[in-house]
Amino acid sequence: EVQLVQSGAEVKKSGESLKISCKGSGYSFTGYWIGWVRQMPGKGLEYMGVIYPGDSDIRYSPSFQGQVTISVDKSISTAYLQWSSLRASDTAMYYCARTSSITTFDYWGQGTLVTVSS
Amino acid sequence: QSALTQPASVSGSPGQSITISCTGTSSDVGSYNYVSWYQQHPAKAPKIMIYDVSKRPSGVSNRFSGSKSGNTASLTISGLQAEDEADYYCCSYAGSSTVVFGGGTKLTVL
Repeated sequence: EVQLVQSGAEVKKSGESLKISCKGSGYSFTGYWIGWVRQMPGKGLEYMGVIYPGDSDIRYSPSFQGQVTISVDKSISTAYLQWSSLRASDTAMYYCARTSSITTFDYWGQGTLVTVSS
Repeated sequence: QSALTQPASVSGSPGQSITISCTGTSSDVGSYNYVSWYQQHPAKAPKIMIYDVSKRPSGVSNRFSGSKSGNTASLTISGLQAEDEADYYCCSYAGSSTVVFGGGTKLTVL
């Protein structure tokens, strides 16, 4: 069974750093892109970028380039999303999803809620 | 890139059919057959319902179908059921390795 399990909810202050994770199992982790999607409170889905665990190729959405860092540790089948300095506007639910083709997010993690207070 | 345009809300009665539109541009929906649709129930992760414009993943009811004409993609749900009440998002490839989502449509089953 394909599963993506994300790390737990986080409460941070503005200016702090954060790294959240997404662990894949039940499939060949290095053979599929992993994408990250943001959902701000009461709002829609926003594509942040994707990473290919096989060779760590990363593609960022222009809206998120320079704002976050996507990485992977294929030895433990885990993808990461990190911030060096959080802002209140980063408060959102963040989902990881396996990508079987460019817009086919076929399996999703349960989401990680990030709350940033100013 | 701008979000794809979806109606904020649609509604229908049980048993009826509804269609949700997703309007993009010649740079995204109009140029690629990479349009997908996602269903999201409150406080749940999204679930894929349609990919590559009209393909249905295994396990998704055949009441869900997708199509595209020009710069507009559509999701049709036939034989509406109470469990279909959810938010629906379209998604399209927009070139240069980027992807854009629609703003979302809230489906109410009356």
